[in-house]
Amino acid sequence: DARVTQTPRHKVTEMGQEVTMRCQPILGHNTVFWYRQTMMQGLELLAYFRNRAPLDDSGMPKDRFSAEMPDATLATLKIQPSEPRDSAVYFCASGFGLGARVNYGYTFGSGTRLTVV
Amino acid sequence: KNEVEQSPQNLTAQEGEFITINCSYSVGISALHWLQQHPGGGIVSLFMLSSGKKKHGRLIATINIQEKHSSLHITASHPRDSAVYICAVRSTGGSEKLVFGKGTKLTVNP
Repeated sequence: DARVTQTPRHKVTEMGQEVTMRCQPILGHNTVFWYRQTMMQGLELLAYFRNRAPLDDSGMPKDRFSAEMPDATLATLKIQPSEPRDSAVYFCASGFGLGARVNYGYTFGSGTRLTVV
Repeated sequence: KNEVEQSPQNLTAQEGEFITINCSYSVGISALHWLQQHPGGGIVSLFMLSSGKKKHGRLIATINIQEKHSSLHITASHPRDSAVYICAVRSTGGSEKLVFGKGTKLTVNP
């Protein structure tokens, strides 16, 4: 059963520390998304990649967040320095698209619950 | 006004009832997603559709592009269907960005 794997599942860190979240997309999926979910804002797109190239990171605070895909099996989301307002659940999702768009729906990972104190 | 509106916000049903959740949107779209989020927090993609109707088990999703409206139906509801159901739309244009509704919390009582 193919799945998107996210690590860690939970992370508690102190303000100012660096946080790295990892995602292993489903093998063969060429589009990877990072979403953030909070009670106030709901689900928001932070960034997404197509064939490992970043296509849209307009949802990310650029001064502290960075997203990369060092290879097709790993996507990372880094926050440096972290702040209490970054506390949220961060979801990775992957999908496959022929041409320019994802055609067949997404698969979500289980999320990383981040708490910054 | 949000681009994606869901109704109702909360829904309580008895086991076996037929459930309908509605989603209206105000932008041109290339696809609409229905997602399910269980109390444990995991998100499952139920449907991605751009026209007509799709069915999977007891779940049916329909979309009317002209009316900018979609419905998610659950037949013979069961307590395990209790979850938050989220509608999300992908606008026309090149971006994969989804705009999400605020979700409908469904509780099915035995």
